[in-house]
Amino acid sequence: DTGVSQDPRHKITKRGQNVTFRCDPISEHNRLYWYRQTLGQGPEFLTYFQNEAQLEKSRLLSDRFSAERPKGSFSTLEIQRTEQGDSAMYLCASSLVGLGTNEKLFFGSGTQLSVL
Amino acid sequence: AQKITQTQPGMFVQEKEAVTLDCTYDTSDQSYGLFWYKQPSSGEMIFLIYQGSYDEQNATEGRYSLNFQKARKSANLVISASQLGDSAMYFCAMRAIIQGAQKLVFGQGTRLTINP
Repeated sequence: DTGVSQDPRHKITKRGQNVTFRCDPISEHNRLYWYRQTLGQGPEFLTYFQNEAQLEKSRLLSDRFSAERPKGSFSTLEIQRTEQGDSAMYLCASSLVGLGTNEKLFFGSGTQLSVL
Repeated sequence: AQKITQTQPGMFVQEKEAVTLDCTYDTSDQSYGLFWYKQPSSGEMIFLIYQGSYDEQNATEGRYSLNFQKARKSANLVISASQLGDSAMYFCAMRAIIQGAQKLVFGQGTRLTINP
């Protein structure tokens, strides 16, 4: 399978614990995005990377959230001191951006986080 | 501000009938892109179809077509000959440049149920 993969698919944690999610984008894609989706809503942008550089962070992303893409390939999203309001589906997407292309995002299946 | 509005929370359609899912958008940008994604219960966001703001022809991808009416700022998705496997959430999205970064802004989605 050459699509975007995310791990784990589900994560249950207790309030106050730290969690880390991983995303492996489509191999030749240079952009990687993180989105968050709560029940009954469309996904909301969190942050994105162009290769290894993190170019933008949403105001939704508090100081407890950090994302990395160290070698411009896979990315991790860490949430420290989780709160119940962090419970959501965390979606990763990747795209190939270049001259003359229309950027199309391809999403993974997401990581469903439940904070008890 | 860029915004996507999907006014149909749920749609119920008989198998083999055509269905139109509504989407209106708001933007002051001259160049933008419109997308439709399908999200089955598994959670993955599946790319369906793309329409660029300068594309003169309506986009088509197999049974999917996008009815793009630029003056009315609408980008409705038409699914012909619906199948049971089309039952899912459908999201309309617009590529927007916010704070210098390209992002997808999603609507709240329409839950489509195909009845046998």
